[in-house]
Amino acid sequence: SQQGEEDPQALSIQEGENATMNCSYKTSINNLQWYRQNSGRGLVHLILIRSNEREKHSGRLRVTLDTSKKSSSLLITASRAADTASYFCATDGSGNTGKLIFGQGTTLQVKP
Amino acid sequence: DSGVTQTPKHLITATGQRVTLRCSPRSGDLSVYWYQQSLDQGLQFLIHYYNGEERAKGNILERFSAQQFPDLHSELNLSSLELGDSALYFCASSVRAGGGDTQYFGPGTRLTVL
Repeated sequence: SQQGEEDPQALSIQEGENATMNCSYKTSINNLQWYRQNSGRGLVHLILIRSNEREKHSGRLRVTLDTSKKSSSLLITASRAADTASYFCATDGSGNTGKLIFGQGTTLQVKP
Repeated sequence: DSGVTQTPKHLITATGQRVTLRCSPRSGDLSVYWYQQSLDQGLQFLIHYYNGEERAKGNILERFSAQQFPDLHSELNLSSLELGDSALYFCASSVRAGGGDTQYFGPGTRLTVL
């Protein structure tokens, strides 16, 4: 079963605009990761944020984590057509097993 | 390129058959994870091996089995295949066994069962 719920399921924006995707999860976590998947391809790791962190940046990406609300957001600034992909959040749950639990993903389309 | 390799890229087979998917982790990584991605179930964790030992099991069917060899590569064996087993199968690797490590994913094996 999926731990995470992502919102929105699909997002279409123009190049240069910002894209925000949200992820909610159910159980306590040690960390949360965001991945990108181009159509039918492998998952590319974007960023990992630990449960004691509130915000993290990597290039044009900004991730926030609110453990009290069990939610995270991924902001992509100044989007490009190459950012078109599906974005997934993944949590490790509790228990330190290393198992990742993925949300259903947000499909982002960036129009040139 | 994540450094994780998977073979084959595509596999087409018939119901009732058995296939083996292979994964080589990144150099230095001791953990290998297997995931299944299908349209109806999304990305599901199957199994985790660390340095040759099974560490965690997820939604893995009894018809499926895996192992990790001394050279750390891993194989996922799928038997008595059904149409519903058609999916993308990913392996991922990380340095350690527990949570907190980034998992790096391979390009996947697309399995089609006819």
